[in-house]
Amino acid sequence: GIQVEQSPPDLILQEGANSTLRCNFSDSVNNLQWFHQNPWGQLINLFYIPSGTKQNGRLSATTVATERYSLLYISSSQTTDSGVYFCAVDDYKLSFGAGTTVTVRA
Amino acid sequence: SQTIHQWPATLVQPVGSPLSLECTVEGTSNPNLYWYRQAAGRGLQLLFYSVGIGQISSEVPQNLSASRPQDRQFILSSKKLLLSDSGFYLCAWSVQGTSPLHFGNGTRLTVT
Repeated sequence: GIQVEQSPPDLILQEGANSTLRCNFSDSVNNLQWFHQNPWGQLINLFYIPSGTKQNGRLSATTVATERYSLLYISSSQTTDSGVYFCAVDDYKLSFGAGTTVTVRA
Repeated sequence: SQTIHQWPATLVQPVGSPLSLECTVEGTSNPNLYWYRQAAGRGLQLLFYSVGIGQISSEVPQNLSASRPQDRQFILSSKKLLLSDSGFYLCAWSVQGTSPLHFGNGTRLTVT
């Protein structure tokens, strides 16, 4: 199956800072999604973005399919942004990366 | 709008006991349904997926089984739990084909 690598594994931010999370994948994909898992375990779908750029409030994502990577941007981070961010790729059988743990400090 | 319900939220079971976790989806028809497991501090592992009633695909050989008795109902079962079955179990759904995946709130299973 497709290999998914996320970086960095951990990220500590001061409230208000901006950050970029990266997802590399080993083969062409039809489907790439970003998720946020909050400290209580709830997983929320942030973006469905097999290619191009999308924005949702302070979050945006860009996928460059030809170069096999996707980036998730967090701007003006807030403590509620803390949690684990997962990238997932493939067809309907999504394969998840190991995640980036983000801690935003007040 | 579509919603997904998963229960129970937490469960503590002794080794060797049976397991039944249930997941239902509302507001959509013929969804793809999935069971994932997340070990503590780790990523998500796909256990089973289903594209229709009675159609179950297993991704990982294990002590668990899944069934889909109705279009929007997905059940995860075990006849005899092992300690290694402990984890966070998440049900998810998507529209047929390639589309966003949506998760339930999960069940934290501790096997003692």
